[in-house]
Amino acid sequence: SQQGEEDPQALSIQEGENATMNCSYKTSINNLQWYRQNSGRGLVHLILIRSNEREKHSGRLRVTLDTSKKSSSLLITASRAADTASYFCATYNQAGTALIFGKGTTLSVSS
Amino acid sequence: NAGVMQNPRHLVRRRGQEARLRCSPMKGHSHVYWYRQLPEEGLKFMVYLQKENIIDESGMPKERFSAEFPKEGPSILRIQQVVRGDSAAYFCASSPSLGPENSGNTIYFGEGSWLTVV
Repeated sequence: SQQGEEDPQALSIQEGENATMNCSYKTSINNLQWYRQNSGRGLVHLILIRSNEREKHSGRLRVTLDTSKKSSSLLITASRAADTASYFCATYNQAGTALIFGKGTTLSVSS
Repeated sequence: NAGVMQNPRHLVRRRGQEARLRCSPMKGHSHVYWYRQLPEEGLKFMVYLQKENIIDESGMPKERFSAEFPKEGPSILRIQQVVRGDSAAYFCASSPSLGPENSGNTIYFGEGSWLTVV
């Protein structure tokens, strides 16, 4: 299985603090993606990082990728209550036919 | 631009009935994926379809579940003789193209169909 596994499962922080979520995967990848899911809603794509990239930024999001450790991290800086959601990493299966998701990290940001 | 459209958003079925979930991909997208999400769990891949073809159904339960994506109209996920364990959120996603040589495409999700079996 090429499924990513997020860590921690749950994270509670105060507004303004940074949130860091980690993802580990099992096999070689071309890219890794992060998605967000608000309660009761569909998933929204956040960012894609390719295997030849080590770091990528998008607004308050910073994603790193360490292919030697088969791990990635998502950092949300200066968190807001609106960042409260579940965050998933995802990688393609070896056939390239399906995006496989981890179980996610549930982030709760309190004001 | 309309996103991925799923209906119904909520569906209640009694045990033994059939559930039909519909998905219209984003305009210009010809690839559709179905996922299931059980309470407090991540998404589980079920099936990947192109128009009139099932490409990967490795995540589909062997019995009672079927999916199609006809030449015209939406993709349909059909669950026959539903049981309580089928209660879940079913998400559809679409992408413009995908293949091992181009597997970096983002897929776009609908808002899901919540199935409750009573």
